[in-house]
Amino acid sequence: EDQVTQSPEALRLQEGESSSLNCSYTVSGLRGLFWYRQDPGKGPEFLFTLYSAGEEKEKERLKATLTKKESFLHITAPKPEDSATYLCAVQMDSNYQLIWGAGTKLIIKP
Amino acid sequence: DAGVIQSPRHEVTEMGQEVTLRCKPISGHNSLFWYRQTMMRGLELLIYFNNNVPIDDSGMPEDRFSAKMPNASFSTLKIQPSEPRDSAVYFCASSQGPNGYTFGSGTRLTVV
Repeated sequence: EDQVTQSPEALRLQEGESSSLNCSYTVSGLRGLFWYRQDPGKGPEFLFTLYSAGEEKEKERLKATLTKKESFLHITAPKPEDSATYLCAVQMDSNYQLIWGAGTKLIIKP
Repeated sequence: DAGVIQSPRHEVTEMGQEVTLRCKPISGHNSLFWYRQTMMRGLELLIYFNNNVPIDDSGMPEDRFSAKMPNASFSTLKIQPSEPRDSAVYFCASSQGPNGYTFGSGTRLTVV
């Protein structure tokens, strides 16, 4: 069965404390893996798309990496404004649909 | 670019009433998606349009739900009659081809 699993469900960090969020997937044929950020009361905001194992993308304090089984979203020296729910989604090459993970709620304490 | 525009932002209605949610996708995007988000089930795809044509409506919960896209710049999601279990945040998203979606701010629907 095609599925996407994110861990942990929630993560509390002190400001400046670096960490990583995990997105593991089991799909037949990956077209792309997407990372989104969602703030309370808002729609998901697109962050990155990764297409092949070994690919990396960066944006400010965030870096996304991809292997054949999982993706990591590394956050370096986070700030309170990085607090949000981070969603991972996978698109298969045989289908337009995105398979969504349940998200990781990240809380950065000042 | 104003992004994907949804209206209303909030809707409170009584059980049995008709509810219509509206979406204006980003100009030039040829794909439009309606999603529903709840705490219990996360993001669920309801229906997908490509070039204004419904491609997959298998996620539509039941016949009470219907969606239309009369032109490239407008889509509606209608619930008739509404039920309390329909309470959720409904998102519209658009994309150009198989790329990352751009989501609207959502409509928070409460059916009492």
